[in-house]
Amino acid sequence: GQQLNQSPQSMFIQEGEDVSMNCTSSSIFNTWLWYKQDPGEGPVLLIALYKAGELTSNGRLTAQFGITRKDSFLNISASIPSDVGIYFCAGQKKVEDMRFGAGTRLTVKP
Amino acid sequence: DAGVIQSPRHEVTEMGQEVTLRCKPISGHNSLFWYRQTMMRGLELLIYFNNNVPIDDSGMPEDRFSAKMPNASFSTLKIQPSEPRDSAVYFCASSFNLGGAQYFGPGTRLLVL
Repeated sequence: GQQLNQSPQSMFIQEGEDVSMNCTSSSIFNTWLWYKQDPGEGPVLLIALYKAGELTSNGRLTAQFGITRKDSFLNISASIPSDVGIYFCAGQKKVEDMRFGAGTRLTVKP
Repeated sequence: DAGVIQSPRHEVTEMGQEVTLRCKPISGHNSLFWYRQTMMRGLELLIYFNNNVPIDDSGMPEDRFSAKMPNASFSTLKIQPSEPRDSAVYFCASSFNLGGAQYFGPGTRLLVL
């Protein structure tokens, strides 16, 4: 089940604005992953982080693996309407111990 | 490149019937995962395979659930008999190796009446 604290639960923003969401846990993870899920589709991998302190970008997306290994954030710059969806973080200690956040539902108003 | 393929995309069945969900992982990936997603519980790992061998099935809810991976390119998740509380979206995911980033299929939306 969900054992990561992901916030915010939802965001309503104007097109062009920047977005920031994060995940925290009381546990240390070896890997942090960020996924986006569109309605009726499976989660799509956006960014994978494997080292504490790692900062990785994928286009307008930037994610960081926290130094404490207990948190991660995802930023989206200059949001566009197609950014709409649910964003999930996932922390992994070992294969059978991958936890998902509850998701952040993003709405972008044109 | 083809991603993870799942079939059917939607399944509506009656309580007591057998349901079989199918998955084809990304070619070259040696780890395969079955998840269930519901509003109440989010994404839950049911079982995963490495090199076609089931490694951990502790997430399988009951004996009514079973999964097989007869070869590297095919896996099934079977529910027999199905119950209304099994209604959910079932995802298959694969990764290049254990611990690697997992790539999800489009899911099978199951409704048990």
